[in-house]
Amino acid sequence: AQTVTQSQPEMSVQEAETVTLSCTYDTSESDYYLFWYKQPPSRQMILVIRQEAYKQQNATENRFSVNFQKAAKSFSLKISDSQLGDAAMYFCAAQGGSEKLVFGKGTKLTVNP
Amino acid sequence: DTGVSQNPRHKITKRGQNVTFRCDPISEHNRLYWYRQTLGQGPEFLTYFQNEAQLEKSRLLSDRFSAERPKGSFSTLEIQRTEQGDSAMYLCASSRFGNIQYFGAGTRLSVL
Repeated sequence: AQTVTQSQPEMSVQEAETVTLSCTYDTSESDYYLFWYKQPPSRQMILVIRQEAYKQQNATENRFSVNFQKAAKSFSLKISDSQLGDAAMYFCAAQGGSEKLVFGKGTKLTVNP
Repeated sequence: DTGVSQNPRHKITKRGQNVTFRCDPISEHNRLYWYRQTLGQGPEFLTYFQNEAQLEKSRLLSDRFSAERPKGSFSTLEIQRTEQGDSAMYLCASSRFGNIQYFGAGTRLSVL
């Protein structure tokens, strides 16, 4: 069984600043994927970034990057140059041994102008 | 590509009634997933299909829940004899060969 833990229920950041959202996970699978999804209010969940566990290099997507620490089972998301449109719930998820995604409880990100 | 479509967006029903939700995946996506999301929680997996075959079901999917994907295209999720605890957002996602899952906007169910 897999578990995903997000220990920060809420975070806030000033526009144009950088923020890091934390995620830890546990899995017995040797081959797995990790994801960050964004869920704006009343809108659908959107994939932000994906990391294959066998890749040592941290994934990046424009202003979004991850810090993947496999031994520590840590997968944090860094958002640089935060924008008002980044305000949303952010969910960390794991997938391994099965196609189902296992999600954390989410972190609500507020971006202050 | 119009994305994953879910209908209805909102459903209000009385306890004990049956409800059915529909999900239309992205065309050519052979995998379709159902999740349930309650307030303040992340989505929880319910079931998934590869084409018309239902390959995995969560223990959350009680015998009051049934999902179908008859022709490997759209899917329906039916809840019989609804209970107040069924109130949640029901999310559908699709993927091409188990790759990235793309989500719909969900159907919000309120059981009175």
